[in-house]
Amino acid sequence: GAVVSQHPSRVICKSGTSVKIECRSLDFQATTMFWYRQFPKKSLMLMATSNEGSKATYEQGVEKDKFLINHASLTLSTLTVTSAHPEDSSFYICSARPGLAVNNEQFFGPGTRLTVL
Amino acid sequence: KNEVEQSPQNLTAQEGEFITINCSYSVGISALHWLQQHPGGGIVSLFMLSSGKKKHGRLIATINIQEKHSSLHITASHPRDSAVYICAVKLYAGGTSYGKLTFGQGTILTVHP
Repeated sequence: GAVVSQHPSRVICKSGTSVKIECRSLDFQATTMFWYRQFPKKSLMLMATSNEGSKATYEQGVEKDKFLINHASLTLSTLTVTSAHPEDSSFYICSARPGLAVNNEQFFGPGTRLTVL
Repeated sequence: KNEVEQSPQNLTAQEGEFITINCSYSVGISALHWLQQHPGGGIVSLFMLSSGKKKHGRLIATINIQEKHSSLHITASHPRDSAVYICAVKLYAGGTSYGKLTFGQGTILTVHP
């Protein structure tokens, strides 16, 4: 299947700093990318849907000023956690969908574990 | 009640056993995914299906649209199959297919040697 990468795989930061996570589709163009958050022993929670060249659509309860998403190219989306706090510590996973059809398969990245001290 | 329910939540098996994980959903869907997540790891898409049956190696996925039910089978299970298996559906309503996935709670599979 298609490959999606995330960078970094792990990051530890101090409270109050900002952290940027990159999601790249390596062998296909992704018009749409999704950002998920996963708490321990829980399933994935969709944070936002990102479409190339337009503003992201955030799910209810997700602060758009806190979690900045930029999808500037067809192969790259970034999630910036601004002014991170310990409660932002989590596993963040992106997925990418090739093409325009909403029924196209989604491919998932390996995830980024964020720890805020 | 969750829109997507998986059973069992935990499953322990001996190497070589045939394993079945079930997924039931209560909404109209356009597609269903079976995903695999190893501890501390990312997610691998095993299957995407909207009807019938798909097979890949020792893995088989089936779906019954009328009964709103899907199963994931693993034949000749192996300790390396130990992982969380997640069912996810793409909702379909009123002639519109939505791009978002709705996830089941996952099934934790442990296969002992």
